[in-house]
Amino acid sequence: GAVVSQHPSRVICKSGTSVKIECRSLDFQATTMFWYRQFPKKSLMLMATSNEGSKATYEQGVEKDKFLINHASLTLSTLTVTSAHPEDSSFYICSATPGLITSQYFGPGTRLLVL
Amino acid sequence: AQTVTQSQPEMSVQEAETVTLSCTYDTSESDYYLFWYKQPPSRQMILVIRQEAYKQQNATENRFSVNFQKAAKSFSLKISDSQLGDAAMYFCAYNGVTKDMRFGAGTRLTVKP
Repeated sequence: GAVVSQHPSRVICKSGTSVKIECRSLDFQATTMFWYRQFPKKSLMLMATSNEGSKATYEQGVEKDKFLINHASLTLSTLTVTSAHPEDSSFYICSATPGLITSQYFGPGTRLLVL
Repeated sequence: AQTVTQSQPEMSVQEAETVTLSCTYDTSESDYYLFWYKQPPSRQMILVIRQEAYKQQNATENRFSVNFQKAAKSFSLKISDSQLGDAAMYFCAYNGVTKDMRFGAGTRLTVKP
């Protein structure tokens, strides 16, 4: 149980285009989902927290107009990188939690490369 | 703000031996959770073990155990009988009232055959 999927696993796009990454909880309802960014050989940095049906809460320094997060249902959250630039290239990981203070279940990550 | 510190960027252990990874954290909260996650080359985050702050007993999961010292804000991970498959990045993480998880910088564990 507690499986989280991400799609796509890898994406290459041209500078200026937008990319959407999906995060799904497959066997539980996720009241809260999180989006992280991980640079090579670095730790995970929290970008934003999203609760179903409400606006995401962004960490300081994360541009909310650039990284659009939608949590439309209890099993799906999306991260859209708008007008992507090469510096947005990174590994993006989502996680989901069924509620309260408990373990987070992580997706397998999405590698984004912006040319 | 809560911070998590892993002071060992790299550790090495001989196969079948025991290794301990260190983690300290800073918080003013009384109710929280601590975790150790493993990230192999696939980059999938895998939960190794978790500890509730209100529990005095140290968590154990097969070959993995923790030494949780709440007063000292220390949370180390011991891996016994190390196996080649244990080689990975290990992240210590804190989860408090706000539910967002804070990670340490990670420790890269190498297992020598």
